[in-house]
Amino acid sequence: KQEVTQIPAALSVPEGENLVLNCSFTDSAIYNLQWFRQDPGKGLTSLLLIQSSQREQTSGRLNASLDKSSGRSTLYIAASQPGDSATYLCAVLISSASKIIFGSGTRLSIRP
Amino acid sequence: AAGVIQSPRHLIKEKRETATLKCYPIPRHDTVYWYQQGPGQDPQFLISFYEKMQSDKGSIPDRFSAQQFSDYHSELNMSSLELGDSALYFCASSLNSGRAAGELFFGEGSRLTVL
Repeated sequence: KQEVTQIPAALSVPEGENLVLNCSFTDSAIYNLQWFRQDPGKGLTSLLLIQSSQREQTSGRLNASLDKSSGRSTLYIAASQPGDSATYLCAVLISSASKIIFGSGTRLSIRP
Repeated sequence: AAGVIQSPRHLIKEKRETATLKCYPIPRHDTVYWYQQGPGQDPQFLISFYEKMQSDKGSIPDRFSAQQFSDYHSELNMSSLELGDSALYFCASSLNSGRAAGELFFGEGSRLTVL
C-alpha cells in the first residue's frame, strides 16, 4: 500500500531564506509526483509535476527533484517571501487515471 | 485559461438531507477525481472517472454516488447526510492520453456544512 509522508509538518523561517521540503513514498512504482500549494480554505494550486522518467522540474524560484529508487522528492524554494506562506502538499499518481495519494503536507510560514 | 469549475461553492444542509455537487472539468480533460478534505486534514480520495467510466474508488461511503456525463461533467450525490460529512469537496481533472499521466488541476472546492 502506497504511503506518502512529508517532513517537517510545519516550518517557520525568516524571509529571504532558501528552504527544502521533503516528501517520501513507500512504493517506487509511480507514474508521476506533483507538488501543490494550498492556502487556508482554498483549492489546491499545482506547482510542479515530475513524470516518473524525470529527475527534476523548475518553475521560477521553485525546483522539485525526484528520486524514485529511494522514494523521495524534495521541493526547493529559493529566496522565500511572506507570500510563500501556505501548506505544501506532495501527491503521487500510482497508475494512469487512478487515485492520487497525498501526503499530509508541510505548513510553511515565512516571517517578514 | 479555463479551469475546473465546481458548484455550488457553499452548501448548508440538515442531517439526513441530500446534496449534489457538480464539477465541470477543463475542456478536453478525460479524467475527473473527487476528493474530500476535512478541517486540518489532507485530501482523501473518493472516486475517479476516465472517459465517463469509473476508474478507481477510494473511501467513498455507500451513501455517496457519483457519475460522469456525456459532456464530461461529473456530479457527486450525497444522501442521508451526517455531521461528519461537513468538509471541503474538491474536484480535479487531468488529461491521461496513452501512457502519459497528466497534471492534475483542482477546482476551488465546494464547502458542505451539515447542521
